[in-house]
Amino acid sequence: DAMVIQNPRYQVTQFGKPVTLSCSQTLNHNVMYWYQQKSSQAPKLLFHYYDKDFNNEADTPDNFQSRRPNTSFCFLDIRSPGLGDAAMYLCATSRDGMNEQFFGPGTRLTVL
Amino acid sequence: RKEVEQDPGPFNVPEGATVAFNCTYSNSASQSFFWYRQDCRKEPKLLMSVYSSGNEDGRFTAQLNRASQYISLLIRDSKLSDSATYLCVCPFSGKLIFGTGTRLQVFP
Repeated sequence: DAMVIQNPRYQVTQFGKPVTLSCSQTLNHNVMYWYQQKSSQAPKLLFHYYDKDFNNEADTPDNFQSRRPNTSFCFLDIRSPGLGDAAMYLCATSRDGMNEQFFGPGTRLTVL
Repeated sequence: RKEVEQDPGPFNVPEGATVAFNCTYSNSASQSFFWYRQDCRKEPKLLMSVYSSGNEDGRFTAQLNRASQYISLLIRDSKLSDSATYLCVCPFSGKLIFGTGTRLQVFP
């Protein structure tokens, strides 16, 4: 089945220790998104790629970076995680950016 | 005005009840809308798309009122398994904007 896969599902890191979250998709969608979601809040868009074009949200901290080496893969790098970065990180894809998005299962990040 | 606004709830209803959620949006140019369902500690999953005046899928009906800029989700004959958070999603400036969600709890 076509799907969105995220690894790892759970990530524990130490304060300030860089971490990379991975997302892959078999849907062949043009657009890939990274969201941060904290408890009882809506998913917050961090950035997205339309093909190779990177689109950063104005309020996304510089601490968060992303890479999309090819259509199928997208990575979220957190350079120096703080306690406030503990959250669920959701990857999503969309065929063209204006239709429905399909989400991966998420990576739950804990910062010690 | 927020781009997408929802009543956070929670809505506590007995099994078999009919419940409706409303969502208001600010971008009058939006053409399509979505309702997602999110279970606790899981990812959002698409429940329904709304492209014209409404959509119906079994016990679920979504309606769109462009004049008043709101969409609604009606759930008939509620099941225990309907307990979740329902997210209203609207296109805005080339992105999809999520509401904060309405929490539904169905009790026996």
